[in-house]
Amino acid sequence: EAGVAQSPRYKIIEKRQSVAFWCNPISGHATLYWYQQILGQGPKLLIQFQNNGVVDDSQLPKDRFSAERLKGVDSTLKIQPAKLEDSAVYLCASSILQGSNEQFFGPGTRLTVL
Amino acid sequence: SQQGEEDPQALSIQEGENATMNCSYKTSINNLQWYRQNSGRGLVHLILIRSNEREKHSGRLRVTLDTSKKSSSLLITASRAADTASYFCARDLNRDDKIIFGKGTRLHILP
Repeated sequence: EAGVAQSPRYKIIEKRQSVAFWCNPISGHATLYWYQQILGQGPKLLIQFQNNGVVDDSQLPKDRFSAERLKGVDSTLKIQPAKLEDSAVYLCASSILQGSNEQFFGPGTRLTVL
Repeated sequence: SQQGEEDPQALSIQEGENATMNCSYKTSINNLQWYRQNSGRGLVHLILIRSNEREKHSGRLRVTLDTSKKSSSLLITASRAADTASYFCARDLNRDDKIIFGKGTRLHILP
């Protein structure tokens, strides 16, 4: 079974630039999550999708972050414009359905904002 | 903060010894999960223990849960170099499958 795919693996941008991350979850997984993990901390949930609907985006800084999952499969997370404090690893995870709880994580995208 | 707190923040032990990590939390939970993160394999689910369970085993892993003390522990027996990683507890609050990660314990196994 293929795992969660993410791209790019690394990205370096200057502040005020835009960046987008892509995630393809495990086939058949209805729930998709985006997390932000700052160095030395645990992952923090940014947004959760159930199919193509948003379940929770309470921690998403909506003035600069946006995410979509138009067809209920792959997803993109965008930051526009980026700030220095956005430097982190962005993790995508998926789970098969509500109630299963176990989440499968992708390798992450390491973002450095200069 | 809703985050759980892992203790200790960092731990170094000799290969072959047992490693114990603790997690404390403040609100009631549906279940508690432990994850491992290293550079090679990313973040991986290890074990889930439900609120009505007190102990669970998986290979060299043993997890306990004390809901009265709002705490959990992860024991790794006979540690190996490959166990070097960060370990996170993640609490499921029974709200739309959202889980809250703690800050993690960084475990280093010395040869």
